[in-house]
Amino acid sequence: GAVVSQHPSWVICKSGTSVKIECRSLDFQATTMFWYRQFPKQSLMLMATSNEGSKATYEQGVEKDKFLINHASLTLSTLTVTSAHPEDSSFYICSARALAGGGETQYFGPGTRLLVL
Amino acid sequence: QKEVEQDPGPLSVPEGAIVSLNCTYSNSAFQYFMWYRQYSRKGPELLMYTYSSGNKEDGRFTAQVDKSSKYISLFIRDSQPSDSATYLCAMRRTSGSRLTFGEGTQLTVNP
Repeated sequence: GAVVSQHPSWVICKSGTSVKIECRSLDFQATTMFWYRQFPKQSLMLMATSNEGSKATYEQGVEKDKFLINHASLTLSTLTVTSAHPEDSSFYICSARALAGGGETQYFGPGTRLLVL
Repeated sequence: QKEVEQDPGPLSVPEGAIVSLNCTYSNSAFQYFMWYRQYSRKGPELLMYTYSSGNKEDGRFTAQVDKSSKYISLFIRDSQPSDSATYLCAMRRTSGSRLTFGEGTQLTVNP
């Protein structure tokens, strides 16, 4: 299957700092990438949809000025958590849309665990 | 009411058992159905991808879709301890539309 990587895999930062998470599609081009957030023992919550070369579309309740998304190329999207606070601590997972089996599906990255102190 | 309902479990079975995981949904417009496996502290891994109704088999895994009943299933034969994970069903209406996830079922296969 298609491979999606994320970096870093985990990060600890102080409150007030900004954190950038990278998401890369390694063996395919992804015009669309997605950013999810997952709390323990809960399902994935879609934060935003990122299309290459255009502004991201944010889900209701997600602050676009706090969670900056950039999709500068067909293989790279970044999520920057600005002025992070302890309540932003979570598991952030990106996903890239790819063609598969005559249709299309989403492949997920391994996730980034963020802890804000 | 959630669009996709999935029993969160936990489900515990002995090694070698046949596991049945299920999701029901309310939106008849869903056409594409997926099952993902997620190990603890990892991203979801695509297991099965099906379009419309029918069965699909891949090794020990079989996915079934019954659109008339709005019901999808994932069967795991000869379950192994390495199958212990959370299984998420997901579905979408059309190409390009967003995925809607179930809550996930936590499975433990005991040796």
